[in-house]
Amino acid sequence: KAGVTQTPRYLIKTRGQQVTLSCSPISGHRSVSWYQQTPGQGLQFLFEYFSETQRNKGNFPGRFSGRQFSNSRSEMNVSTLELGDSALYLCASSSGGAGNTIYFGEGSWLTVV
Amino acid sequence: LAKTTQPISMDSYEGQEVNITCSHNNIATNDYITWYQQFPSQGPRFIIQGYKTKVTNEVASLFIPADRKSSTLSLPRVSLSDTAVYYCLVGLDNYGQNFVFGPGTRLSVLP
Repeated sequence: KAGVTQTPRYLIKTRGQQVTLSCSPISGHRSVSWYQQTPGQGLQFLFEYFSETQRNKGNFPGRFSGRQFSNSRSEMNVSTLELGDSALYLCASSSGGAGNTIYFGEGSWLTVV
Repeated sequence: LAKTTQPISMDSYEGQEVNITCSHNNIATNDYITWYQQFPSQGPRFIIQGYKTKVTNEVASLFIPADRKSSTLSLPRVSLSDTAVYYCLVGLDNYGQNFVFGPGTRLSVLP
């Protein structure tokens, strides 16, 4: 069974631009969550989607948004990029029920210059 | 959500058994305990998950005492490739995923 796939793996953007990251969950998984990882702040939860609905949201500004499609694939968007948005963005998927395991993708490395 | 506390770092030598303990005093009745391993520039990799007592798989064992306020990840006979950050995760809420990651334990395996 294929794992969680994230694209692109690496990208460089200029301050003020916007970026869209994509995530394809494990087949059959309906829950997708996103995380930001930086050396200073560690792994921080952004938001989680289940059946196209956002169920949970972390403490990030409105510049960070996401969506989920009917096939469970998800995208996250960051608008008006700031230098501090440079990070590894991780997507994880699960079946969405209690006690289930989340599985992470390899992440998308975003560098803002 | 249960907050977790782990040692920031640990050192070990190849071939030794490594035990990493995580404290989660506020664990809820429905919470599971999950451990992940992360190498630099990669996503966290699932190691093991448990609810109570002992769970064992091909890479690790997880020991959970009766009060469930702590758990111990046991890695038998570590090798240099086990050098990584290990995260203890507790607290699936009723909606599924809202993990709060702690800083993890940086394990360094020395030759």
